Amino acid sequence: DVKVTQSSRYLVKRTGEKVFLECVQDMDHENMFWYRQDPGLGLRLIYFSYDVKMKEKGDIPEGYSVSREKKERFSLILESASTNQTSMYLCASSLAGAQPQHFGDGTRLSIL
Amino acid sequence: GEDVEQSLFLSVREGDSSVINCTYTDSSSTYLYWYKQEPGAGLQLLTYIFSNMDMKQDQRLTVLLNKKDKHLSLRIADTQTGDSAIYFCAEISGGSYIPTFGRGTSLIVHP
Repeated sequence: DVKVTQSSRYLVKRTGEKVFLECVQDMDHENMFWYRQDPGLGLRLIYFSYDVKMKEKGDIPEGYSVSREKKERFSLILESASTNQTSMYLCASSLAGAQPQHFGDGTRLSIL
Repeated sequence: GEDVEQSLFLSVREGDSSVINCTYTDSSSTYLYWYKQEPGAGLQLLTYIFSNMDMKQDQRLTVLLNKKDKHLSLRIADTQTGDSAIYFCAEISGGSYIPTFGRGTSLIVHP
C-alpha cells in the first residue's frame, strides 16, 4: 500500500514565524501536491511538483513556498505565518500523469 | 474551468443502501475517483473507474458511470455507521496531473 506521511497531525505556531510542513511518500511517486482544506471551500491546491526540484503554482500559492530536493519528500513553507493560514493541510502523491492521488493524514495548523 | 458537483448531505438508515451522486463537465475525463474522509483525517482513495467503463464493483461499493450525461454515482450496500464520512468525487483528464474535486457529500448513517 502507498504510504504518505505528514510530519505532524497538529501544529500550533505564532504569527510571523516561518513554518515547515513535511511530507514523505514511500512509493517512488513522480508527483506530489499540497492542498489546504477549509470548511465550505473544499480542497484548494497550493503547489505541486512533478519531478525533483520542479514546482508549479496551484490556485492559492501566495504566502507559501515549497521545496523538493529528493523525490520522496515535499516540504511546504509558510514564509511568515498569518492567522488566515490556520487550516487543515493535506499532502498527496501520485505515480505519474493522471494516476489517482494518495493522501496523508493531514496537518491541522493553528496560527495564533 | 472544469467543475464537479455533488450534493452536500445524505442521510440514510443503517442497513439501507446509500447512493451518492456526482456530475462533472470535462468531456475528456480519463479517471473518475471516489474518496472517503473521516473526521480529522486525510482523504482515503475508495475506488476509481476509467472513463471507458460503465460500472465497477468492489465488495459493498458499486460505481456507475454515465459518460453521456457526465454522471457518476457511488452506491454503498448495507450502509453501516462506520460509513459516516465525507465522500469526494474527483475527475482528471488524460493530459493533466491535477484532479478536480467536488465539495464533498457528508453521509450520515443513523440507527
